[in-house]
Formats: sequence, C-alpha cells, structure tokens
Amino acid sequence: NAGVTQTPKFQVLKTGQSMTLQCAQDMNHNSMYWYRQDPGMGLRLIYYSASEGTTDKGEVPNGYNVSRLNKREFSLRLESAAPSQTSVYFCASSGQGTGANVLTFGAGSRLTVL
Amino acid sequence: DAKTTQPPSMDCAEGRAANLPCNHSTISGNEYVYWYRQIHSQGPQYIIHGLKNNETNEMASLIITEDRKSSTLILPHATLRDTAVYYCIVRLPTGNQFYFGTGTSLTVIP
Repeated sequence: NAGVTQTPKFQVLKTGQSMTLQCAQDMNHNSMYWYRQDPGMGLRLIYYSASEGTTDKGEVPNGYNVSRLNKREFSLRLESAAPSQTSVYFCASSGQGTGANVLTFGAGSRLTVL
Repeated sequence: DAKTTQPPSMDCAEGRAANLPCNHSTISGNEYVYWYRQIHSQGPQYIIHGLKNNETNEMASLIITEDRKSSTLILPHATLRDTAVYYCIVRLPTGNQFYFGTGTSLTVIP
C-alpha cells in the first residue's frame, strides 16, 4: 500500500498564479486533512473533510479552497497565490474507531510563491 | 479539544531513556492523549496514544498521571534516529480536528 500520496512534491509559483495540490489515500479512510507548516513552526490545520462530500474549515482556511472528490481524493486549491502561502503542505487521512483514529501523513508538498 | 504545553527543546544522550513531558491540565474525561513525531521535513509519524492506563508499543511507552493532567513519552533507549520534533495532542477520539502545537525538539547526542 502506498498510504497517502501527494503531488507535486515541489512547486514554484508567481504571485497571483493558481494551482491545485492533489492528495490520494488507499487505506479506505473516511477523514482527510490539509495542513501547512511554516519554517520553525508546528502544523496548522487548513481544511478537513470528515467524510466524502463534506468539508470544514480549520485554523487557517483563508486563501484556500478544497474539494473532496471521492473517498480517496482530497485536493487543495490556491486561487491566487501570495508569498505568505510559501510553506510545506501536508495531507493526512484517518480511519474510524475509538482508539484507531490515527493520522497517516503524506510526504509533503513544498510550495514557494515568488 | 484541550490544549497542551511542552518544553520547546530537550537533549538526551544516545542509549539513555528520553523522557518527554506534556501538560494537559484541561483534559476532559474522554479525551485521548496522542503522540506524534516529525523527523526533519518528513510528514509526522504516529507513535502512541492512550486514555488512562499506561501504554507501551515497539516504539515507546506512554505514562499518564492518575489525574490525567500530564503525561510522559518515554523512548527507552534513544538513538540518533530519534532526533525529531515530538508533538503531544489531546483530542476526542470522535473529533475531526487534530491540532498540533510547536512540540518538543529532541536532540539525541552521541
């Protein structure tokens, strides 16, 4: 199993350009998440999706949109990129069950906005 | 979800036990304690979780105080590969949001 796969791994954008980060999981998890991590900082939740067809805002949703395309895929879109969105983006997923609600992360997507 | 407090950094000698504390004084009765770690720029990795009882797995042990207001993650024989940022998270098992703080940066010294 691949787990959580993110694409692209690296991307450089100019201010005002748009792009979509893709995330797919093959663990049949219901919940999926997008985090960003700035240098020297912890992870901050952007958006999450508790199940197919639902999405909710996290701590820092401004400037982003998400789509839960199906149970496997959860994409993050930047409509008009800004330098403040330069960051490493992590996608994660989690299953269900009282003790089994554990996050599995992807390898990250490093985005630079010039 | 309850907030957690962790020291920003710690050192540990290779081969010794690393004890990482976490304070979660506002934890509610049915909130679990989760520990993750992040090695360099990789995605965070799950380590262990628990509710009331102490827990042990192949990676670490989790000691939760009787009043549940704090916990300690123990890496019994730290290696250089354990150098990482360790995050303590408290949340409901049915909750949909994992909030990470800034964690503890553990450096294992040869």
